[in-house]
Amino acid sequence: EADIYQTPRYLVIGTGKKITLECSQTMGHDKMYWYQQDPGMELHLIHYSYGVNSTEKGDLSSESTVSRIRTEHFPLTLESARPSHTSQYLCASSRQDYGYTFGSGTRLTVV
Amino acid sequence: RKEVEQDPGPFNVPEGATVAFNCTYSNSASQSFFWYRQDCRKEPKLLMSVYSSGNEDGRFTAQLNRASQYISLLIRDSKLSDSATYLCVVTRGGANNLFFGTGTRLTVIP
Repeated sequence: EADIYQTPRYLVIGTGKKITLECSQTMGHDKMYWYQQDPGMELHLIHYSYGVNSTEKGDLSSESTVSRIRTEHFPLTLESARPSHTSQYLCASSRQDYGYTFGSGTRLTVV
Repeated sequence: RKEVEQDPGPFNVPEGATVAFNCTYSNSASQSFFWYRQDCRKEPKLLMSVYSSGNEDGRFTAQLNRASQYISLLIRDSKLSDSATYLCVVTRGGANNLFFGTGTRLTVIP
């Protein structure tokens, strides 16, 4: 039973489209994260949030943006998708520094 | 130098074998340590936390050596279902201070 939900699970979209990847958690965690992971490669942090109205960029530069208007919701938006954005996007949440829980991911393909 | 370094493998071992993974971290201020498991095309899932005193969960044993700044994971009596990538994770406090290793890929062979 997942406590952190990502939708869509798979997305194939054309170049130039605006997309929003959804992430919601029901655990009341303050901290939320977005990671990008290419097949067989390591995870890279692209955005994180300490709590409502807090957003920061991660270690890997990304053209995406995020918002945190509600504790449970941390959507990621790409204004104009490009083939270079093709990747898996993983959302995670945590309380303090323990027990990071990951969503099942969104596998994005931009054609 | 990377924050967390792991041997990427792959480790191919027969069923029933014992296999050990090591991971080193570069920052002595690191606070919390974990092993995560990631199956192919799936999200990472917490396998176990790692404590200085060492901890065991069934066939899995994790150890932390703060002086040498390394973490280990031992898997005894390997099962086919243990095949996955094992990620070493280190934190230093703060929302952005979670560091992942590249992962060690394990394949258990019948």
